[in-house]
Amino acid sequence: DTEVTQTPKHLVMGMTNKKSLKCEQHMGHRAMYWYKQKAKKPPELMFVYSYEKLSINESVPSRFSPECPNSSLLNLHLHALQPEDSALYLCASSLTGVNQPQHFGDGTRLSIL
Amino acid sequence: GENVEQHPSTLSVQEGDSAVIKCTYSDSASNYFPWYKQELGKRPQLIIDIRSNVGEKKDQRIAVTLNKTAKHFSLHITETQPEDSAVYFCAARRGDNNDMRFGAGTRLTVKP
Repeated sequence: DTEVTQTPKHLVMGMTNKKSLKCEQHMGHRAMYWYKQKAKKPPELMFVYSYEKLSINESVPSRFSPECPNSSLLNLHLHALQPEDSALYLCASSLTGVNQPQHFGDGTRLSIL
Repeated sequence: GENVEQHPSTLSVQEGDSAVIKCTYSDSASNYFPWYKQELGKRPQLIIDIRSNVGEKKDQRIAVTLNKTAKHFSLHITETQPEDSAVYFCAARRGDNNDMRFGAGTRLTVKP
């Protein structure tokens, strides 16, 4: 099975905290993605990195800041979040090139107090 | 941008029956159509995908059909089992970018 590893699995934070979500894969995938999923809704694309460069930013508020330090790692830095940001945050990766399947991690369940 | 519609939102079948979930998409440039299964509290898992140069693809009890002219594609599950119970998402993506859009999901319940 493909492996995209996300940490932490759960995170509770206050609105003034700063925290980071981490995602790691060692499949040689050069495209990595952040999605947000609310309960009973589909995943919504937030950011796409291709070859460690940000290629898509779906008008996400600046309180979410992505970072791709190398080809295996993807971070999502969080600051001054709002209660409505509580959701499951999913990381995915894929080979680049046409029509490559995306493989998801287990997600981080984020709760904002 | 791409808009994907998925029906039905809920589907209940008896074990052993077939289940069909349908999706339509708006962007004629979309050419990759995956299906994901998501069990409660778990990650979306790719179960089958189809590319626009193919009309049908099968993998054991699962099949997907694509009609590019009508811009719709469907998931067919035969001989359903209770462990098929989950939320199923269709998605569509253009080949020239990584922007994938999901349908709203179908909650499938297979009654034993």
